[in-house]
Amino acid sequence: ETGVTQTPRHLVMGMTNKKSLKCEQHLGHNAMYWYKQSAKKPLELMFVYNFKEQTENNSVPSRFSPECPNSSHLFLHLHTLQPEDSALYLCASSTQPRGSPLHFGNGTRLTVT
Amino acid sequence: KQEVTQIPAALSVPEGENLVLNCSFTDSAIYNLQWFRQDPGKGLTSLLLIQSSQREQTSGRLNASLDKSSGRSTLYIAASQPGDSATYLCAVPEYGNKLVFGAGTILRVKS
Repeated sequence: ETGVTQTPRHLVMGMTNKKSLKCEQHLGHNAMYWYKQSAKKPLELMFVYNFKEQTENNSVPSRFSPECPNSSHLFLHLHTLQPEDSALYLCASSTQPRGSPLHFGNGTRLTVT
Repeated sequence: KQEVTQIPAALSVPEGENLVLNCSFTDSAIYNLQWFRQDPGKGLTSLLLIQSSQREQTSGRLNASLDKSSGRSTLYIAASQPGDSATYLCAVPEYGNKLVFGAGTILRVKS
């Protein structure tokens, strides 16, 4: 148990589908993150939220839409994805944006067919 | 732009051996460096976080060092065990909240 829970663990979706990834942290952290991990590439930061406010959008295509209703929950809404979006999507949280360690969930393995 | 390189990309050692994983970064103006472990199909587990004012951090059989001026960090694993087999990643902040990760070192410890 990492304190950061992601659901679902695996997701297969077609290019015309709409789905959402969910992340919940039980650590009392104020910052939450979405990272993408593709095969043979380093982790890439997608979005950052501090106290529910988005503070970073790392040039992510609009087919990915984040939502942070409160400091414990983070969603990633997906629509009209491409096969190259297939990857492991990792959620993380920290006590504050700078200087504190990140705690990661186990990720959602997404396959776009 | 911050870039992080990890060497070697993969490493296979017999059980009991001491080993060193290397991480280098291009911009030395960092305020910390973090080492993570990732098991197959899983998320990342934070191993050690070294603040810029520190030279090293230790946790059990793990010791991480940081030399900001040369843009390098090493992760030393003593008396390696098969359970240490995983991918090890280092990461440094670029600006604000953005962490830049290396591609990782895949470690296999053979029993």
